[in-house]
Amino acid sequence: DAKTTQPNSMESNEEEPVHLPCNHSTISGTDYIHWYRQLPSQGPEYVIHGLTSNVNNRMASLAIAEDRKSSTLILHRATLRDAAVYYCILSLGAGGTSYGKLTFGQGTILTVHP
Amino acid sequence: DTGVSQDPRHKITKRGQNVTFRCDPISEHNRLYWYRQTLGQGPEFLTYFQNEAQLEKSRLLSDRFSAERPKGSFSTLEIQRTEQGDSAMYLCASSLVLAGIEQFFGPGTRLTVL
Repeated sequence: DAKTTQPNSMESNEEEPVHLPCNHSTISGTDYIHWYRQLPSQGPEYVIHGLTSNVNNRMASLAIAEDRKSSTLILHRATLRDAAVYYCILSLGAGGTSYGKLTFGQGTILTVHP
Repeated sequence: DTGVSQDPRHKITKRGQNVTFRCDPISEHNRLYWYRQTLGQGPEFLTYFQNEAQLEKSRLLSDRFSAERPKGSFSTLEIQRTEQGDSAMYLCASSLVLAGIEQFFGPGTRLTVL
């Protein structure tokens, strides 16, 4: 499985934007880039995913480098409820679907200060 | 609540005992996944089903672990002859193939082996 590299931790202030980086230099052409987050004492929660183009949804934006070897999750205005572990994950996809298995790393612990 | 549910939420057992966990996926989701998460680590893939068929098992899944999804709806994960190293959070997730790439996670079952 292709691997991702994320900083162990990041800090932000409430209502400021947060940019969470992820390196995935061994990504293959059919790998999707997923972001999940895990709040304390909860199961992971889907945030966003993309293949080649930048993506936006109600939770966040995903900026994917042109060579796809890195990506950045952008939280436009951090709130205290965004404090969580954020995981950048690659999964094999083909024909518009994913083979399903998610390989989580250790993720980035995001601390949001009031 | 129509999310993924898991039962029990907590289980304490003695080494050598057998335990069984249940996962009820979101209705009509045809894929079901099991992950295990130890403290401070990201979730680790164990196995997944598409309908009744178990399509992949992790090499990390010893023969003491068995999972079933007999009617393509709920799933059970059994651990025989538990060991202290089995202590972890066991997470279940479900998804609907071709309807999206998102996996929906349950709250997990925390297993403590004494």
